[in-house]
Amino acid sequence: KAGVTQTPRYLIKTRGQQVTLSCSPISGHRSVSWYQQTPGQGLQFLFEYFSETQRNKGNFPGRFSGRQFSNSRSEMNVSTLELGDSALYLCASSPDTSTDTQYFGPGTRLTVL
Amino acid sequence: GEDVEQSLFLSVREGDSSVINCTYTDSSSTYLYWYKQEPGAGLQLLTYIFSNMDMKQDQRLTVLLNKKDKHLSLRIADTQTGDSAIYFCAESVYGSGNTGKLIFGQGTTLQVKP
Repeated sequence: KAGVTQTPRYLIKTRGQQVTLSCSPISGHRSVSWYQQTPGQGLQFLFEYFSETQRNKGNFPGRFSGRQFSNSRSEMNVSTLELGDSALYLCASSPDTSTDTQYFGPGTRLTVL
Repeated sequence: GEDVEQSLFLSVREGDSSVINCTYTDSSSTYLYWYKQEPGAGLQLLTYIFSNMDMKQDQRLTVLLNKKDKHLSLRIADTQTGDSAIYFCAESVYGSGNTGKLIFGQGTTLQVKP
């Protein structure tokens, strides 16, 4: 099976712009979670989607949003970008069994100038 | 509360065993995970253990869980230079509103010297 894929791998934006990141889960996986990784804060949970519904949300401002499509692919959007949004954004998929084991993609490196 | 703690750095010689430690606080954790991250890459799942187990072995990897002390360790036998990476401990906490969320430690950088 192909792993989790994320596009694009790298992005450079300027403050105030918005950005959309995409994640394709492992075939058959229905749950997609998103994380932000920064040197200062480490890995922080953004949100989780299952069957096109957001089931869980981390402690991030409303500028961070996401959605999931019927084929389980997911996108996250960050509006009005700030310098502090520069990070590696990781997507993980899970089959949503009792193990909740998550498999991560390579991430999208976002740089905000 | 939700908190996972790890030491930040470990240096070993090639061929030695490495032991990376982690402590967690949430007593309702069900699964505990170890992930590996190489430079510029995502997280690679190494192994996981269910919270009612004490030990799990998988080739060169041994996971030990002390539930009383909420302490988790990852032992890598015969450590190789290719094992140099950042290792993250993570817990999943079951309960209403906690689906799909892993809580990560800060990561331990493992340096393997030839």
